Amino acid sequence: AQKVTQAQTEISVVEKEDVTLDCVYETRDTTYYLFWYKQPPSGELVFLIRRNSFDEQNEISGRYSWNFQKSTSSFNFTITASQVVDSAVYFCALTRMDSSYKLIFGSGTRLLVRP
Amino acid sequence: SQTIHQWPATLVQPVGSPLSLECTVEGTSNPNLYWYRQAAGRGLQLLFYSVGIGQISSEVPQNLSASRPQDRQFILSSKKLLLSDSGFYLCAWSSGGSYYEQYFGPGTRLTVT
Repeated sequence: AQKVTQAQTEISVVEKEDVTLDCVYETRDTTYYLFWYKQPPSGELVFLIRRNSFDEQNEISGRYSWNFQKSTSSFNFTITASQVVDSAVYFCALTRMDSSYKLIFGSGTRLLVRP
Repeated sequence: SQTIHQWPATLVQPVGSPLSLECTVEGTSNPNLYWYRQAAGRGLQLLFYSVGIGQISSEVPQNLSASRPQDRQFILSSKKLLLSDSGFYLCAWSSGGSYYEQYFGPGTRLTVT
């Protein structure tokens, strides 16, 4: 069965600290996609990144970076020098590789960045 | 560019009343469409998805239904709301036939009183 686990329910950091959000997935598919979404207090989910299972290169976008490791079935997200605006719920997701094109979401990690 | 609209943004309805939430997508054709519900402080629950006009798949049996009368229109309905239907309803789309990301609308916050 496919599953995404975000074991960290809530993380609180002080501004400018680095923080890593963990994501562990389970799938039997040999090809799959992984995603991260951000849900700020306004509620709308914002797409952050997509990663193909064949591409294990780390990705960096400004203060955001993603570490994909197939060997440990993990796709972790690091925010460097966190800011108050990073406060949100972050969801990791995995594609169902069937005709439904559904995403399997983790339960989310609430990040609170304190000034 | 593609955009997704949802309305209304907020809704307060009494128990037993009907419901109709609408979602439309612009700038793409034959999208996959999805309805999710999020209870307060909880994760995302997929309610319905559609890969084409008139094709609706239900994930959770309940008193809600969905319809896709046009290619880029997705409607969530109920004949009689329950208290447990309160929540944040999100519509999403993805490119038809692809396993790429879903893009979400702004959501509708429904309170059933």
